[in-house]
Amino acid sequence: QQPVQSPQAVILREGEDAVINCSSSKALYSVHWYRQKHGEAPVFLMILLKGGEQKGHDKISASFNEKKQQSSLYLTASQLSYSGTYFCGTQEARIFYNQGGKLIFGQGTELSVKP
Amino acid sequence: EAQVTQNPRYLITVTGKKLTVTCSQNMNHEYMSWYRQDPGLGLRQIYYSMNVEVTDKGDVPEGYKVSRKEKRNFPLILESPSPNQTSLYFCASSLSAGVNTEAFFGQGTRLTVV
Repeated sequence: QQPVQSPQAVILREGEDAVINCSSSKALYSVHWYRQKHGEAPVFLMILLKGGEQKGHDKISASFNEKKQQSSLYLTASQLSYSGTYFCGTQEARIFYNQGGKLIFGQGTELSVKP
Repeated sequence: EAQVTQNPRYLITVTGKKLTVTCSQNMNHEYMSWYRQDPGLGLRQIYYSMNVEVTDKGDVPEGYKVSRKEKRNFPLILESPSPNQTSLYFCASSLSAGVNTEAFFGQGTRLTVV
């Protein structure tokens, strides 16, 4: 079941903050976050595991609420380089234990950072 | 350099003419998969492979075939392409099917079927 991302699109000025949410109706084992710049391949940002800690690097961090099957990606003091489409990818617990690491991606959130 | 290589990057073909999109990785990864990306739908998995000679359907497998005869290669075959297969395709690989395994994506193949 495809996770639902919100918002679908967001426009920011440099230095502003943004939150992107990813929600699933299934019990999750992990959540991945990827960023795709226009015309390029998606690039891995981070993985959040069930029972794990909040992750982050630089000014991008994420959390995983296992009870709600939701993950949020936090972008603080946004830079022009943050522009792109952000995807969450989820590993459902049931599928993971039977079939391994199948990732199901959300529909994406388009982030535009303006000067 | 660790990478996933897809070919071709762009392809325009006619309905019904068989085609193959190649995918190769040089990281000795076990797990490989194919996705298609369409506006508003995100990345949807077509097929995946957990190892050599082990393949299975993803969420949108109709009209596609794959094979995994060698660990490094995972070609996507469209036996009889149709216009609804016009899309952007990505191949991805990861170390294994387990946790903590980030996916590495190829540069994509933009396919147009007329």
